[in-house]
Amino acid sequence: QQQVKQSPQSLIVQKGGISIINCAYENTAFDYFPWYQQFPGKGPALLIAIRPDVSEKKEGRFTISFNKSAKQFSLHIMDSQPGDSATYFCAASNQAGTALIFGKGTTLSVSS
Amino acid sequence: KAGVTQTPRYLIKTRGQQVTLSCSPISGHRSVSWYQQTPGQGLQFLFEYFSETQRNKGNFPGRFSGRQFSNSRSEMNVSTLELGDSALYLCASSSPRGLSTDTQYFGPGTRLTVL
Repeated sequence: QQQVKQSPQSLIVQKGGISIINCAYENTAFDYFPWYQQFPGKGPALLIAIRPDVSEKKEGRFTISFNKSAKQFSLHIMDSQPGDSATYFCAASNQAGTALIFGKGTTLSVSS
Repeated sequence: KAGVTQTPRYLIKTRGQQVTLSCSPISGHRSVSWYQQTPGQGLQFLFEYFSETQRNKGNFPGRFSGRQFSNSRSEMNVSTLELGDSALYLCASSSPRGLSTDTQYFGPGTRLTVL
C-alpha cells in the first residue's frame, strides 16, 4: 500500500516558470514532510521540510504548502532554472524513527 | 566533514549468491537507514539502526538483513539473490539524536546488478 502518492511523474517547465509538484498522504501519524532532490548518480539531498503545524514554508525559490485537513502538500519552485532539472521526491515520517516513506518521484526538466 | 560513504559503489552478482554492502555514516551520527531504489518501485525503506539496535523495518523479505557496529558503521546483507534485487541501495545517516525530524544525509549508493 503506497502511503505517499506523488504527481506528476514528469514535468517540463520553461526557464523562469513555476514548477509545482503535489503529494498526498494517508497516514495521519506522519509528522514530518521533507522534499528531496536527486541528481543522476547521486544520493537524494534534503531540499526543504515542513511540520504539520505550519501551512507554508519558504526557503529561497522553494516553497512547501501544506494542507493538513486534505492530507496534501506541494512543492513550488519559483523562477525555475535549468540547474533545477532533477528528480524530486516528497516523503513523510512519524515519531517512530527516521524511516522515510517516499513518493514515487517527479522528474523535472527545465528548458532554457 | 566527510559525507556518508558506501562501498562498493558497483557490484555484479549472480542469482543465488549473497552480498554484503557497507555504509559509513557521517562522524557523530548514530542513526543509519537503508533504502532500495528501483525505477518501478522508487525509494523504499529497508531498515533503520540506532545505537546498534534495529529500530524500524520495512516490508522486505527476511533475505534482507542488516546490522550496526559500535562505531555506527552499518552493513546490509542480501542472501539468495534474485533478479529483482537489482537496484541502487542507499544508506542515510542522521544526527546523534536520531529523531524523525532530523535531516537524513544520503550516500551515493551501491549499484547492485544481479545476473
